[in-house]
Amino acid sequence: QKEVEQNSGPLSVPEGAIASLNCTYSDRGSQSFFWYRQYSGKSPELIMFIYSNGDKEDGRFTAQLNKASQYVSLLIRDSQPSDSATYLCAVRGNNNDMRFGAGTRLTVKP
Amino acid sequence: DVKVTQSSRYLVKRTGEKVFLECVQDMDHENMFWYRQDPGLGLRLIYFSYDVKMKEKGDIPEGYSVSREKKERFSLILESASTNQTSMYLCASSPRLTEAFFGQGTRLTVV
Repeated sequence: QKEVEQNSGPLSVPEGAIASLNCTYSDRGSQSFFWYRQYSGKSPELIMFIYSNGDKEDGRFTAQLNKASQYVSLLIRDSQPSDSATYLCAVRGNNNDMRFGAGTRLTVKP
Repeated sequence: DVKVTQSSRYLVKRTGEKVFLECVQDMDHENMFWYRQDPGLGLRLIYFSYDVKMKEKGDIPEGYSVSREKKERFSLILESASTNQTSMYLCASSPRLTEAFFGQGTRLTVV
């Protein structure tokens, strides 16, 4: 069975700090990788996607992918209280499936 | 804007009933997905479809079936609802291998 694992958390950081979220996946054939944010009572919304090894930056967010280690991470710089949410790692396989980790709950304290 | 619409926001059904959850997308996406979300378990894939009339089992298909007769519509069917199927159900659609867009979710309670 294809698995996506995330550090379970919860994670708490002070405002302005860097939050680091990690994810590993079992399927070596995985094609594309995503980070979603989900506020309580809402549907997940996309923050970042990454397809190639290395880093990808978008504003305060950086996604990192290492296919050899089957590892993907998300860094949030200058964390804000509005970043407090559950972060979901998602992985697409080459048969078009899309699987999610259990999520990491992040709290940013003012 | 991509729009994924689920037919109901809240639903209460009785044990043993046949339940239909409907999902419609307006972006001509090839792929559609059904997930359930329970506290601490994240989103678990029930079924997905990569084309009209094509479907694949996800990780927890037992007790569920799906139908995709038209590209824009993907239905989840609970053949005989049970209390352990009480959950939040999320539908999503996407082009091939790219991001998925989610509906607003259906909170189903089976009593």
